[in-house]
Amino acid sequence: KAGVTQTPRYLIKTRGQQVTLSCSPISGHRSVSWYQQTPGQGLQFLFEYFSETQRNKGNFPGRFSGRQFSNSRSEMNVSTLELGDSALYLCASSLELAASYEQYFGPGTRLTVT
Amino acid sequence: AQSVAQPEDQVNVAEGNPLTVKCTYSVSGNPYLFWYVQYPNRGLQFLLKYITGDNLVKGSYGFEAEFNKSQTSFHLKKPSALVSDSALYFCAVRAGGSARQLTFGSGTQLTVLP
Repeated sequence: KAGVTQTPRYLIKTRGQQVTLSCSPISGHRSVSWYQQTPGQGLQFLFEYFSETQRNKGNFPGRFSGRQFSNSRSEMNVSTLELGDSALYLCASSLELAASYEQYFGPGTRLTVT
Repeated sequence: AQSVAQPEDQVNVAEGNPLTVKCTYSVSGNPYLFWYVQYPNRGLQFLLKYITGDNLVKGSYGFEAEFNKSQTSFHLKKPSALVSDSALYFCAVRAGGSARQLTFGSGTQLTVLP
């Protein structure tokens, strides 16, 4: 079974621009979560989607948004990019929303904001 | 609020020796605990989880973890370390119920010396 895929793998953007990242979960997985990973802040939770609805949200400004489609694929968008948004963005999928299910991670999208 | 502490940023161990990576947690209610490993330029890989039952949990690649409710700990262990085990290890906790996010520790860099 194919793993979680994320596109693109690398992105370079300029301050003020916006960016959209894509995530395809493992086949049959219905929950998708997004995380931001930076050397200073570690792994921080952005949001979690299930059945096309946002179920959990982390402490990020409204510039960060996401959505999930009927086939469970997900996108996240960051508007008005800031230098501090440079990070590895990780997508993870799990079979169901329940807390007992482990999450499986994609390779990440490395975003650099200049 | 839930939290995870990994008190050691770096752990060094000689190949063939046992290894321990420490993790303590704080959560309301019963905890669901996870260990993940991250290799350079890769996403996180799931190693093992504790949901309920036996306090000793066995996972992938010979790793195991011991759940200790009284000490609120979930230390990762392996009887004999391999050089290929060198990586960044994350402990994570999630409270029961679907409305709680997965919270990660700051990570521990494990280096196995040949």
